Amino acid sequence: DVKVTQSSRYLVKRTGEKVFLECVQDMDHENMFWYRQDPGLGLRLIYFSYDVKMKEKGDIPEGYSVSREKKERFSLILESASTNQTSMYLCASSFMRSRNEQFFGPGTRLTVL
Amino acid sequence: AQSVTQLDSQVPVFEEAPVELRCNYSSSVSVYLFWYVQYPNQGLQLLLKYLSGSTLVKGINGFEAEFNKSQTSFHLRKPSVHISDTAEYFCAVTGSSNTGKLIFGQGTTLQVKP
Repeated sequence: DVKVTQSSRYLVKRTGEKVFLECVQDMDHENMFWYRQDPGLGLRLIYFSYDVKMKEKGDIPEGYSVSREKKERFSLILESASTNQTSMYLCASSFMRSRNEQFFGPGTRLTVL
Repeated sequence: AQSVTQLDSQVPVFEEAPVELRCNYSSSVSVYLFWYVQYPNQGLQLLLKYLSGSTLVKGINGFEAEFNKSQTSFHLRKPSVHISDTAEYFCAVTGSSNTGKLIFGQGTTLQVKP
């Protein structure tokens, strides 16, 4: 069974803290994605990686960075968390071509106080 | 640039009634289309996808969708819903580059009432 796992289901952090969200997939997918989900806005792409050490900005990269040192692992970093980053964060992975579906993790609900 | 519009943010329906969730997209190139479902406190899972061929696509849990190129629509339908279909549904379209990126609609919450 295919699996995308995220390091935490729920996370509470304070303003200004550095936050790491980790995602691991076991399907040997080239692509990995970080999305942010907010009510009424759907899923918005934060960052995308198509290979180890390769990354591409999505629609809302401000305030975030990413790291992909190994093919199976993709980390999202909030350098200095702010309250407007309180949200649900979803990780996904897929094979390279567009015809392939994305597989999603369960999500991390982050609250920044 | 590609975009996706889900025309209804919420769709309330009684159990065993039929339902249609509407999705329109805009694109100047050929696209692949997807419907995903998100049950409460879970990630998204694929319901169905259109890549090519027959415009009527069947998915899991009795859902189907019809690709209409002239109307740039990909509406999702189920002839008889169950309480367990209560969830959020997302329509998505491939981006302009063949990289695997998707553009998602805003989501439609299906509320099935007993």
